[in-house]
Amino acid sequence: GENVEQHPSTLSVQEGDSAVIKCTYSDSASNYFPWYKQELGKGPQLIIDIRSNVGEKKDQRIAVTLNKTAKHFSLHITETQPEDSAVYFCAASRGGGADGLTFGKGTHLIIQP
Amino acid sequence: NAGVTQTPKFQVLKTGQSMTLQCAQDMNHEYMSWYRQDPGMGLRLIHYSVGAGITDQGEVPNGYNVSRSTTEDFPLRLLSAAPSQTSVYFCASSLQGNLGGYTFGSGTRLTVV
Repeated sequence: GENVEQHPSTLSVQEGDSAVIKCTYSDSASNYFPWYKQELGKGPQLIIDIRSNVGEKKDQRIAVTLNKTAKHFSLHITETQPEDSAVYFCAASRGGGADGLTFGKGTHLIIQP
Repeated sequence: NAGVTQTPKFQVLKTGQSMTLQCAQDMNHEYMSWYRQDPGMGLRLIHYSVGAGITDQGEVPNGYNVSRSTTEDFPLRLLSAAPSQTSVYFCASSLQGNLGGYTFGSGTRLTVV
């Protein structure tokens, strides 16, 4: 089955700086790659996603890049703010999401004031 | 719209007891899935469904049963609870074609003693 590796497990950045979280996946048939943000005591919330026919997608301060050859995708957050502090998860699916998601183990992002 | 509703929010079970975790969505989503979240493990897929009457196993299905008799409801049954099933359980739903990605419930925290 699919295996998703996520790095780093903890990331501390100064407010206003950029943060980058990286994931690799093992199944070359995976075609859907979402990113989720989880705040303490809450369920994960989708922040951005990308499909295998697209190399990059942006939404205001958040962007995701996908390298299908290397089986690698990354989350980029620019101009970080205190409210960006949370745990972020990457995920992959081979059925466009129909067969559920395989998640990475998460990155705890800490924004230092 | 209430989104994805999970009940109960908290539950304590004794080893060997059975129970059903409820999940309901009012968004007419075809895709539904169950995950468990353990510290340092990310979210792991238990079972998923692509529509009423159709279910399949995910990564960690042992000890759990599901059924999908309606589009709205996707209950998760623990047949004989074990301490290893102590976890936070999340239900999620998505439109067919995964437009908009998965919406997660707020979770059920289960403790088996």
